[in-house]
Amino acid sequence: QSALIQPATVSGSPGQSITISCTGTSSDVGAYDYVSWYQQHPGKAPKLMIYDVSNRPSGVSNRFSGSKSGNTASLTISGLQAEDEADYYCNSYTTTGGVSYVFGSGTEVTVL
Amino acid sequence: EVQLVQSGAEVKEPGESLKISCQGSGYSFIGYWIGWVRQMPGKGLEWMATIYPRDSQTKYSPSFQGQVTISADKSISFVYLQWSSLKTSDTAIYYCASARAGSYHFDLWGRGTLVTVSA
Repeated sequence: QSALIQPATVSGSPGQSITISCTGTSSDVGAYDYVSWYQQHPGKAPKLMIYDVSNRPSGVSNRFSGSKSGNTASLTISGLQAEDEADYYCNSYTTTGGVSYVFGSGTEVTVL
Repeated sequence: EVQLVQSGAEVKEPGESLKISCQGSGYSFIGYWIGWVRQMPGKGLEWMATIYPRDSQTKYSPSFQGQVTISADKSISFVYLQWSSLKTSDTAIYYCASARAGSYHFDLWGRGTLVTVSA
């Protein structure tokens, strides 16, 4: 099971909106509405930002939103802030090849 | 405070065995799947295995099947990850994370355990 494909880097200026894509297959992203997104600051543990494609956990800013179309999921960060600078990983549930979860390759978000 | 508390950093030599732990603090593991995620230096996240402490049902990534063993002691809310013979390529940070039964996302993460394997 290969990692889901994400762009290596995405950048934006404060206040702008950026979108991170996460491309999988019809066996993972395309098969289930169980895509989640995690934010990881340097030296810190990952933090859940979006689950089940578009749901935000309590306490996560509404500047973060998720969506999915076919085999590609997306995370949008609106009103970009300096604190959003971090690595972001998507994750999908799957039942292919005995794998339960597959992570994306990760995207480094830079705030210019 | 609800949290996952992981054991401390380890430095081992190739061929040695190791068991690291993850304890639920402030909540019971019952009703949750607990997973382990590897992050090699400068690299991304990789799902390794998950366990359901209530009945010890396990699931392994094919990439890690046979390389590690996940286990649990539900009576004390501990989950473990074990190696019988470490390799230098096992050097990484290992995170435990929990997912409520019936959900498919990890909503609570431990701080990570750094494992360094070096001769």
